[in-house]
Formats: sequence, C-alpha cells, structure tokens
Amino acid sequence: QVQLQESGPGLVKPSETLSLTCAVSGYSISSGYYWGWIRQPPGKGLEWIGSIYHSGSTYYNPSLKSRVTISVDTSKNQFSLKLSSVTAADTAVYYCARELTTVTHDYWGQGTLVTVSS
Amino acid sequence: QSALTQPRSVSGSPGQSVTISCTGTSSDVGGYNYVSWYQQHPGKAPKLMIYDVSKRPSGVPDRFSGSKSGNTASLTISGLQAEDEADYYCCSYAGSYTEVFGTGTKVTVL
Repeated sequence: QVQLQESGPGLVKPSETLSLTCAVSGYSISSGYYWGWIRQPPGKGLEWIGSIYHSGSTYYNPSLKSRVTISVDTSKNQFSLKLSSVTAADTAVYYCARELTTVTHDYWGQGTLVTVSS
Repeated sequence: QSALTQPRSVSGSPGQSVTISCTGTSSDVGGYNYVSWYQQHPGKAPKLMIYDVSKRPSGVPDRFSGSKSGNTASLTISGLQAEDEADYYCCSYAGSYTEVFGTGTKVTVL
C-alpha cells in the first residue's frame, strides 16, 4: 500500500521560505512515476504547484515558477517543496501526491496546513 | 493558465443523476485526452474518481462516468447516493508538462 506523509513547519513568516517534505512508503520513488505538490487555500479550490520525476526533471506552475523548487532524495525515498518569498496568499493546505499517468494523481498525503503570518 | 470553469453547485435527490461540467480551452481540455476528476469530502484529501477522460480506477463505483466534447469535460453520477455529497474537481493537462484544476463543484444530495 503506497502511503505519502507531508511534514514541515505549520507557521511561516512573510517573505521567508516555506519548506515541506513528503515521505513515501510502500513504493520506491526511484522505480518511476512523477511526484507532485498541490495546494488548497482555506475554503478554496485546488492548485497544482509542480511535479518531479524520479530522475530529477521538474515541472512547475508558470504562476509560481519563479518561487518554487521541488527536489527528490531517492536515498530517503522522499521529495521536497520550497516556496520562497511567501505572503498570506500562500496560506493553504499543502498535499503531496503520486502521478500515475498524466494528471492522474492516484495516491495523496493527508495534507498539512501552512499558515503565513508574522 | 486559468482555472477550468465548473458550476459552483449541483444537487439531486437520491437515485437521480447529476452532471458536472468542466469548461476549458483548446489549450487544455480541448487539446488533450487527459482529464481527471477528484472527489473531496470535508477535511479529507482528494480521491481519484476518473482519469484519461473516462477511465475508472479500481474500486470506484460504475455510477461515476466521464466524457468530453470539445473544450468541455463532464462527470456524471448516476443513481446518486448520500455518500456522493462532496466537492468535485476536474483537472486537465495544459501542455508543456503543466496541469490545471477546475474551480470545484459542490454536490448536494437532497
């Protein structure tokens, strides 16, 4: 059974960098597939942030591209998200997910709420 | 890259059918056969219901079906049940290895 678990600070100050990690169990990231981050502001819809292939190739939402970095650590079987220069608009539940095929996110983490506030 | 347009809400009585539309452009929905649908209950992570426009993952009831015509994709729930009350989101490939979600639709079972 594939499981994903997000972890990281729940509170980040404005202008700082948000950092989250997604630990994967039940499947080896190095075996394949894309792995992505998706967020959901409170009471609002889903927004795709970006994805990374096990080889390290990355793809980002054009609207966030200048601030986003996604990386993978196959030795720890996890991948990470960094979002710089955050503002209150970046307050959201952040989900990590496996992408089975194009836009097919079949396994999701439970999500973690990150609040941007001083 | 704008969010795909979905109706804010749809409703139906148990046993009825409801259809949720997802309208994009020729650069996303209309350009590729890569549309997926997700069900999200309050406080929970989204769940994959349909992928590749009309394919159902194992374990998803056959009451859920997907289709596409031009720039609009649709999710139909037949034989509506109480547990189907949730938010639903479409997602489409938008080219250059990017994707875009819909605005979301709340399904209410009357």
